[in-house]
Amino acid sequence: DIQMTQSPSSLSASVGDRVTITCRASQSISSFLNWYQQKPGKAPKLLIYTASTLHSGVPSRFSGSGSGTDFTLTISSLQHEDFATYYCQQSYSTPTFGPGTKVDIK
Amino acid sequence: QVQLQESGPGLVKPSQTLSLTCTVSGGSVSSGSYYWSWIRQPAGKGLEWIGRIFTSGSTNYNPSLKSRVTISVDTSKNQFSLRLSSVTAADTAVYYCARESRGYEGHNWFDPWGQGTLVTVSS
Repeated sequence: DIQMTQSPSSLSASVGDRVTITCRASQSISSFLNWYQQKPGKAPKLLIYTASTLHSGVPSRFSGSGSGTDFTLTISSLQHEDFATYYCQQSYSTPTFGPGTKVDIK
Repeated sequence: QVQLQESGPGLVKPSQTLSLTCTVSGGSVSSGSYYWSWIRQPAGKGLEWIGRIFTSGSTNYNPSLKSRVTISVDTSKNQFSLRLSSVTAADTAVYYCARESRGYEGHNWFDPWGQGTLVTVSS
């Protein structure tokens, strides 16, 4: 299995802050990397696929980058509705998810 | 747009078989562009992919669960189903069904997801 790690595991930020979340794969996965947002009691929602492609309807303040083993999700200006947990997921082999990064209000 | 809805018992006894169904609306499980997957999430924990099925009936399973998992599809009802045998308390989780887009060169992603259903394993 390809193991996914995320850092930080949690962060506190204010509305308007720039937020960056890092995801690392245990081996190279090219750009086979997706990002999801999950709010409490809700199903995850797709934000970004193939490392950097914004899913339809997702605000442009979200962006993704990286390839190989290191990837980032950036929120350029945090909004109230962005407080949630974010997961990365690799699709290079048997799908696996990162442990999540919880973004809460400072 | 496509919507998915899980259904099934919320309580299963240890050693028994967990059975869930996902009903797809606004789209067809017969579409060749997608896989249909099951994913679970224990309370307060991360996400674990269980397995997928293609419209042809071909399946892939998570190796960690493969010996206990069966996923099937019923195109006449536009549904796909999960069976997980010999359950223990460790199988207690919210179970999600999801459509998995078959992107180019194997780039796949999960969207949309069902709302999820909590299954508790307890006597």
